[in-house]
Amino acid sequence: GQNIDQPTEMTATEGAIVQINCTYQTSGFNGLFWYQQHAGEAPTFLSYNVLDGLEEKGRFSSFLSRSKGYSYLLLKELQMKDSASYLCAVLDSNYQLIWGAGTKLIIKP
Amino acid sequence: EAQVTQNPRYLITVTGKKLTVTCSQNMNHEYMSWYRQDPGLGLRQIYYSMNVEVTDKGDVPEGYKVSRKEKRNFPLILESPSPNQTSLYFCASSRPPGAEVVPLHFGNGTRLTVT
Repeated sequence: GQNIDQPTEMTATEGAIVQINCTYQTSGFNGLFWYQQHAGEAPTFLSYNVLDGLEEKGRFSSFLSRSKGYSYLLLKELQMKDSASYLCAVLDSNYQLIWGAGTKLIIKP
Repeated sequence: EAQVTQNPRYLITVTGKKLTVTCSQNMNHEYMSWYRQDPGLGLRQIYYSMNVEVTDKGDVPEGYKVSRKEKRNFPLILESPSPNQTSLYFCASSRPPGAEVVPLHFGNGTRLTVT
């Protein structure tokens, strides 16, 4: 079956760096998305990786290794507003999105 | 402003009373989808539509119906709601997934409680 694994919850300190990992086993691969979701709100698009390597976008970076079925989202200079859930999703061979359960990130002052 | 609009935002109803959650997008997107989100389970797809008059079941379609008579609208219908359909529902739209990056645009969600 298809599966995406992420840690359920992580805690980090304001100003620090945190890495949220995502491992996947899917039928084919057409890209990996990261979304941010604040409590009770809609998910919003953060990043997309389809080739191996690191994509940097301001304080957020996303890395992909297709051979390892692995991605991470790196958040630098953490701010309190970064407290949210981070969702990893893979586009499979049928162009259907397979979602992880999300990682709840708690930022402490 | 480009957006996906869901209504209502909150809904409390009783078992068996038919309800419809509306979804409308103004981006001329072909692809639309409904998800439910429950704690610890992430987003699960209920139904999706690749274009007008084309709908397909997602992972958890039981107890739900959809229709796609117009490109902009994709209502979710619960003919006989049950308590296990209490959840947070999201509608989403995008251009057809394929050769280019097509992130989903989500509505603001509908929190449904069935008693």
